Amino acid sequence: NAGVTQTPKFRILKIGQSMTLQCTQDMNHNYMYWYRQDPGMGLKLIYYSVGAGITDKGEVPNGYNVSRSTTEDFPLRLELAAPSQTSVYFCASSASTDTQYFGPGTRLTVL
Amino acid sequence: QQQVKQSPQSLIVQKGGISIINCAYENTAFDYFPWYQQFPGKGPALLIAIRPDVSEKKEGRFTISFNKSAKQFSLHIMDSQPGDSATYFCAASSPSGAGSYQLTFGKGTKLSVIP
Repeated sequence: NAGVTQTPKFRILKIGQSMTLQCTQDMNHNYMYWYRQDPGMGLKLIYYSVGAGITDKGEVPNGYNVSRSTTEDFPLRLELAAPSQTSVYFCASSASTDTQYFGPGTRLTVL
Repeated sequence: QQQVKQSPQSLIVQKGGISIINCAYENTAFDYFPWYQQFPGKGPALLIAIRPDVSEKKEGRFTISFNKSAKQFSLHIMDSQPGDSATYFCAASSPSGAGSYQLTFGKGTKLSVIP
């Protein structure tokens, strides 16, 4: 039981490039979330999903897109990367309305 | 605006001492208050959580105290150990669209327990 896995662990992008951050969970959780974590700022919700085919914006969605075609996968797409998107990105999942299980994170640098 | 204010930003405690981290909130719709622990290079992990119908919850050396009228809650770590050195986040949850709940996080407290 791997829990929540994220790839890649690290990535450096040039300004204007695009990439997809992958997230997979094997716990059959309906709810999945994407957060970004900046130093001293806590975690900010980017997007979330309550099930396959259903997604919604969180607090900081600009510059990102998501899709949820299966229960297991919830990729986060960055279009036209900007330095402000330099951050650590965490994916999380939950079975209900309480405990969220987090992945190990992806550290992204945009230069 | 949904906010959770956390203090202090950093905390240094002697081994065996008590670590106390405080959080305050404004939104009375919050109905679930978890604390997450994060070690460097790892994702946050749930440590302990409380709902507003109780004033205190204890799990081992970790205790949440909850004051509904003051809209404050705190984490107490008794007999703090060097292995407790980590960043701690308080959070609060409220219902959002489509039956989901969103967590609003505090900015975190970096705890260092020195021998």
